[in-house]
Amino acid sequence: SAVISQKPSRDICQRGTSLTIQCQVDSQVTMMFWYRQQPGQSLTLIATANQGSEATYESGFVIDKFPISRPNLTFSTLTVSNMSPEDSSIYLCSVELGGETQYFGPGTRLLVL
Amino acid sequence: GQQLNQSPQSMFIQEGEDVSMNCTSSSIFNTWLWYKQDPGEGPVLLIALYKAGELTSNGRLTAQFGITRKDSFLNISASIPSDVGIYFCAAIQGAQKLVFGQGTRLTINP
Repeated sequence: SAVISQKPSRDICQRGTSLTIQCQVDSQVTMMFWYRQQPGQSLTLIATANQGSEATYESGFVIDKFPISRPNLTFSTLTVSNMSPEDSSIYLCSVELGGETQYFGPGTRLLVL
Repeated sequence: GQQLNQSPQSMFIQEGEDVSMNCTSSSIFNTWLWYKQDPGEGPVLLIALYKAGELTSNGRLTAQFGITRKDSFLNISASIPSDVGIYFCAAIQGAQKLVFGQGTRLTINP
C-alpha cells in the first residue's frame, strides 16, 4: 500500500469562494483519482488526474468547476470553485497500486455555508 | 453509467454473529474490491478479487468473485465491535475507473 495524505482535513467555506485540496503520496504512482462522497452517499468518481496533461472528467463534472493539477507523480490538487452548499461533501483522492487496486486518502470534509 | 446494487443497505446484528453482504450488476467486471469506511476516514481496502470464481480470505473476512463476473459477496465471521462501519463493494471495468455500490452500514449490539 501507500501512505496518502490530504490537506486540509476539513474546512468550512462561504458560498462563492474556492477551496484547493492537496493530495500527497509517499511513492510515485501513475494513476491518481478524485472522488466525491456526498452526505450519507457512496463515492462518485470526479476525474482521473493525469501527470503532464489535462485531467479526464466523468460525466457531470467539468474543469471550470473542479480544476485539477498533477505536476508530478506524487502530488495532485483539486479545486472546488465558486462553491455552493450543494458542494458540501467529502472529497477523496485515491491512487492505483499493484495492478487494478486503489487506495484512498483520509478525505477532506467540506461544508459550504 | 454502470451501477452496482449492494444489499443489504444496513444490518443490525449481535456480537459474534456472522455477516453476509453482496453486490450484483448487469455488467461484467474484471476486478472486484471490498472496502470498509469508518466515520471520518477514507475507505480502507479489505479484499481484492481479480479472477472469476476466486475465493479470498483476510482473517475473518471472506470474499468471492462471482463466476459470471457480475457479482461478489463478502462474509464476516464471528463479528466483533470493531467491525462496525460502512462496507462498500467496488468494481473496475476499464481504465482503472472504480464504480461503487451504495454501501452496507453494519451495526453491532454487544
